[in-house]
Amino acid sequence: GQNIDQPTEMTATEGAIVQINCTYQTSGFNGLFWYQQHAGEAPTFLSYNVLDGLEEKGRFSSFLSRSKGYSYLLLKELQMKDSASYLCAVRDGDYKLSFGAGTTVTVRA
Amino acid sequence: IAGITQAPTSQILAAGRRMTLRCTQDMRHNAMYWYRQDLGLGLRLIHYSNTAGTTGKGEVPDGYSVSRANTDDFPLTLASAVPSQTSVYFCASSVEGGTTDTQYFGPGTRLTVL
Repeated sequence: GQNIDQPTEMTATEGAIVQINCTYQTSGFNGLFWYQQHAGEAPTFLSYNVLDGLEEKGRFSSFLSRSKGYSYLLLKELQMKDSASYLCAVRDGDYKLSFGAGTTVTVRA
Repeated sequence: IAGITQAPTSQILAAGRRMTLRCTQDMRHNAMYWYRQDLGLGLRLIHYSNTAGTTGKGEVPDGYSVSRANTDDFPLTLASAVPSQTSVYFCASSVEGGTTDTQYFGPGTRLTVL
């Protein structure tokens, strides 16, 4: 099976920056996704990386290093509404999407 | 445009009963997926369909069946529910299967099997 690891929980202060790391070992690689999931809701798409480097989308950025099997999601200028779970997902060589268990981020005032 | 809808929102079911979870999308996506989400385990793929008329098994298919009679609908059936099938079930779709297309998720069905 696939192996995708990310921290279980992180806490940060409103206005701060938080970096959520994800490491993976998969059979083949066809891209890495980050999803946001608020409690009791569906996951919603945040970002997609297939090439090495940084993708920036407003307050959110995602980085990928394929040689290291590593990605991070960077959340800047944290707001209370950013309190959610963040899911790292890797599309393997068969184009199946495998998810990490998710990182719960709590933003405190 | 509704996107993806799932029904019911939640359900409590006695063990041994048959249950069908419904999923409908109006985006004309060719590929659809069923996942279950359990605490500490993340989302796991149960079954998928890359196009109407075809289905495939995911990581945890045992005890579940699916059908894809048309593009829009992808029901998931539990033939004889067991307590270990207590979970939150998410349906998802993407433009095409077997590609890097983004998957979009429905609101989920919370199922409790007693």
